[in-house]
Amino acid sequence: IAGITQAPTSQILAAGRRMTLRCTQDMRHNAMYWYRQDLGLGLRLIHYSNTAGTTGKGEVPDGYSVSRANTDDFPLTLASAVPSQTSVYFCASSDSGGTGELFFGEGSRLTVL
Amino acid sequence: GQNIDQPTEMTATEGAIVQINCTYQTSGFNGLFWYQQHAGEAPTFLSYNVLDGLEEKGRFSSFLSRSKGYSYLLLKELQMKDSASYLCAVSDSNYQLIWGAGTKLIIKP
Repeated sequence: IAGITQAPTSQILAAGRRMTLRCTQDMRHNAMYWYRQDLGLGLRLIHYSNTAGTTGKGEVPDGYSVSRANTDDFPLTLASAVPSQTSVYFCASSDSGGTGELFFGEGSRLTVL
Repeated sequence: GQNIDQPTEMTATEGAIVQINCTYQTSGFNGLFWYQQHAGEAPTFLSYNVLDGLEEKGRFSSFLSRSKGYSYLLLKELQMKDSASYLCAVSDSNYQLIWGAGTKLIIKP
């Protein structure tokens, strides 16, 4: 049972480059989320999707975009990476929205130089 | 604004008991979560409280007082493997999770 798979696990990226972080879940959860985690700060929601075909903006959406073409996949794209986007990115899913347990992927460590 | 406060770091001794506090101010309340996160790993779910009182799950217990905007996570019989960060999160009126910065728990032999 894979749960949630993220790729890549780590990436160094030049500023200005485009980057897509992939996230796939096999639990058939409706809700999916992208968070970033920075030292000293709580997890911050970037974008979310309550069900396939819909997406919404979180707390820190600027510079990021997402799509949800099907239930399983929820990629996060940085159109033109900047150093402030250096962070650890976690994808998560839930079958009960804001009242259910979140299942997290292993994270993607992104460094933008 | 919405705010979750928890201590940055705590130290405890193996075999002892530790209580990690979390206070919150949010627009609405649909439950409070505790997650455990070992260094370099993803958070994993520990508990969910939506009603006042104590929920016990093995060595871990979580308490909630909605009137006080307060929760704590109690860890008993501490083991070295409990060294981790503990994240408090509240589901607000829009069912979005608001996260605290986490409490790093250091267990000493």
